[in-house]
Amino acid sequence: DVKVTQSSRYLVKRTGEKVFLECVQDMDHENMFWYRQDPGLGLRLIYFSYDVKMKEKGDIPEGYSVSREKKERFSLILESASTNQTSMYLCASSLIISHSRGELFFGEGSRLTVL
Amino acid sequence: TQLLEQSPQFLSIQEGENLTVYCNSSSVFSSLQWYRQEPGEGPVLLVTVVTGGEVKKLKRLTFQFGDARKDSSLHITAAQPGDTGLYLCAGARQGAQKLVFGQGTRLTINP
Repeated sequence: DVKVTQSSRYLVKRTGEKVFLECVQDMDHENMFWYRQDPGLGLRLIYFSYDVKMKEKGDIPEGYSVSREKKERFSLILESASTNQTSMYLCASSLIISHSRGELFFGEGSRLTVL
Repeated sequence: TQLLEQSPQFLSIQEGENLTVYCNSSSVFSSLQWYRQEPGEGPVLLVTVVTGGEVKKLKRLTFQFGDARKDSSLHITAAQPGDTGLYLCAGARQGAQKLVFGQGTRLTINP
């Protein structure tokens, strides 16, 4: 079975703290993605990566950065967390280079609350 | 403004009823996907449609891609409590490398 694992299911942080969200996939996929999910807004793409050490901005990259040092691991970093970053964060991976047709495999999500 | 508009956003019906969920846009998409997300889980792909007018069936679920590739629908026949979840459509515009998601339809099937 294919697997995308997110390190933390629930986190509570304080405003200004640095936050790391880790994601690991075991499918040898080239492509990995970070989305945030908010009620009524669906999934919005934060960053994605097509290869190791490569990253591309998504639709809402402000306040976030990412790191992809190994093919299987894609990390999302909030340098200084703010309350408007309280959300569900979903990591996904896909095999096909074209995002348009590849199936996305999602992790279970990390629910972040910033106080 | 949402590029993909899903309707309704919430739907609660009784077991055994039929329902249709819509995913609409003014843009043309090269493909469209439907995902289902259950509580505490990530979304899981149900189907991908790529040809205008295409119809795909998955047991009691029927997916259709509009002739002009601007919209899609999901029809469920004789809904079961196990169909409960958040249904998301996601499309790729021609020439784009990113998927765009709709807001989702939260479906509840009551026993």
